[in-house]
Amino acid sequence: DVKVTQSSRYLVKRTGEKVFLECVQDMDHENMFWYRQDPGLGLRLIYFSYDVKMKEKGDIPEGYSVSREKKERFSLILESASTNQTSMYLCAIESSGRAPDTQYFGPGTRLTVL
Amino acid sequence: QQQVKQSPQSLIVQKGGISIINCAYENTAFDYFPWYQQFPGKGPALLIAIRPDVSEKKEGRFTISFNKSAKQFSLHIMDSQPGDSATYFCAATMTSGGSNYKLTFGKGTLLTVNP
Repeated sequence: DVKVTQSSRYLVKRTGEKVFLECVQDMDHENMFWYRQDPGLGLRLIYFSYDVKMKEKGDIPEGYSVSREKKERFSLILESASTNQTSMYLCAIESSGRAPDTQYFGPGTRLTVL
Repeated sequence: QQQVKQSPQSLIVQKGGISIINCAYENTAFDYFPWYQQFPGKGPALLIAIRPDVSEKKEGRFTISFNKSAKQFSLHIMDSQPGDSATYFCAATMTSGGSNYKLTFGKGTLLTVNP
């Protein structure tokens, strides 16, 4: 069974705080993704990583950064949280060894920025 | 620029009825079209997927119909059940030219199946 774990299910932060969202996988998959999900907007890709220390911007990277120091762990960082970053954040993983493969999603972190 | 347009935004169907969700894409380089199903409080999960070399794919009560010339694809749920109530996302990606398969998602359809 594929396991994608996100550090928190619910998080409440204040404007200006630095926020870390962490995603951990147990599948040894190369590709990892961060999305945000908002009602009526679907899933939008923030960043993705296809290897340790490698990252690429997605469609909405502004206000976010990422870190991937180990293969199993991919962190999303909000340097200075703002209210418009209140959202559901979803991590996904995918194997690059078979084209294309299923993206497996974590349960999500619902972040509220006050 | 929205590359995958999904409709309707919400859908209410009676138990036993047929649910139909439509998607249209713009990028002719897309060559893999998955559908994801998301229940409340869960992340999306792959439901069914199709490549453009076939016009239809069926898995149980779920069927994808694909029209390459119209750049449209749709999900049909036959004999819809209350347990099918969820949000459905269509997606598209290019599989050539590398191993980084960025999915472009539609905005989602909230399906409610009434008992």
